[in-house]
Amino acid sequence: QAGLTQPPSVSEALGQTATLTCTGNNNNTGNQGAAWLLQYQGHPPKLLSYRNNNRPSGISERFSASRSGKTASLTITGLQPEDEADYYCSVWDSSLNAWVFGGGTKVTVL
Amino acid sequence: EVQVVESGGGLVQPGGSLRLSCAASGFSLSTYWMHWVRQAPGKGLVWVSHTFADDTYYGDSVKGRFTISRDNTKNTLYLQMNSLRAEDTAVYYCAREHDSFDIWGQGTMVTVSS
Repeated sequence: QAGLTQPPSVSEALGQTATLTCTGNNNNTGNQGAAWLLQYQGHPPKLLSYRNNNRPSGISERFSASRSGKTASLTITGLQPEDEADYYCSVWDSSLNAWVFGGGTKVTVL
Repeated sequence: EVQVVESGGGLVQPGGSLRLSCAASGFSLSTYWMHWVRQAPGKGLVWVSHTFADDTYYGDSVKGRFTISRDNTKNTLYLQMNSLRAEDTAVYYCAREHDSFDIWGQGTMVTVSS
């Protein structure tokens, strides 16, 4: 089933801002708030943001999400070494009646 | 503490079956949508299935082969996997849905190989 499109990798310098994108269609990111998850190698995913820009308790304000048209975005400000991880977007697809994930973006802090 | 713990993974031959379990604690599993999500080695996350009450949904790749169920008395979620294929090899995660996937287990590894 169709997934969401994320760039495979993003690299930015320490302290700078990284913006990750997630593009779907009118049945998923176009009409639903996306969730963003972070995953460190060898660990389970962790929820960062849901329904566009709601953060669970304990998640830093450096992570902010937004949506424009069919593209969801996650912005990470003030990049830190611990931000190096894989980031996934996810949303319910109302046509497939299924949850879909992006392929993931690996963030590297230079 | 709110958590879920998966078990039941292992090595199985192609065409074989396996049942995964996900024991929940700190919350009542019956009041949430509960999911199985898998991740093949070195690959991304793939949604497998979810359930709430009598509603169940499956991803195309497992439809007709996998069955999700729950035992509310044991506060446990299950995934019965039949007709397993090499491409089902993955870590299988159980996840709770509350404002998206808010609670994840550590996962259980399933390897399908002869």
